[in-house]
Amino acid sequence: DGGITQSPKYLFRKEGQNVTLSCEQNLNHDAMYWYRQDPGQGLRLIYYSQIVNDFQKGDIAEGYSVSREKKESFPLTVTSAQKNPTAFYLCASSTGTSNEQFFGPGTRLTVL
Amino acid sequence: AQKVTQAQTEISVVEKEDVTLDCVYETRDTTYYLFWYKQPPSGELVFLIRRNSFDEQNEISGRYSWNFQKSTSSFNFTITASQVVDSAVYFCALDLPLSNFGNEKLTFGTGTRLTIIP
Repeated sequence: DGGITQSPKYLFRKEGQNVTLSCEQNLNHDAMYWYRQDPGQGLRLIYYSQIVNDFQKGDIAEGYSVSREKKESFPLTVTSAQKNPTAFYLCASSTGTSNEQFFGPGTRLTVL
Repeated sequence: AQKVTQAQTEISVVEKEDVTLDCVYETRDTTYYLFWYKQPPSGELVFLIRRNSFDEQNEISGRYSWNFQKSTSSFNFTITASQVVDSAVYFCALDLPLSNFGNEKLTFGTGTRLTIIP
């Protein structure tokens, strides 16, 4: 079945450690996105990529990094520079920017 | 900068009642897209509708309907004859396809939590 996978669903890390969240899609979509969701808040765009080997910063890129070496993969690294990394992270993809996005199930990251 | 306001934080209605979720947006751009997404308890967002700024026709899809009014910068969502399965958080979003800056490109509202009481 086509879709977006994010793993793991729950992730725990110690403060000061970098952690990489995976996002894979088999929808053949060009564009991919990373969002952060905090309780009672909407989604905030961290990074997005319109094409392989290219990506753009969103609203809250500080403390995060991404890569887009393959069309189907868009991993997000939460670095130790991110002051408050505990949140729910959602990955999405679309056939092009401004088209409807398809979302993965999310990863809930807790930094202890 | 653009902004999306969903003033209703939480709404509860009894099953079979109609309910309208409000969305008000702000942008100086004349070309933009508006979206509604549903987030059930599982967490994964589900696309509901996309509307471009040049198409003000209202849309109906089954029990769902959307009212787009540029004059009031609103894009409201109505569920008719609500069902328990409609319980979720609903997000309105604004996309600016011609923006040169990624951080002004896509903005979500804070969401409305809808609870349908059986």
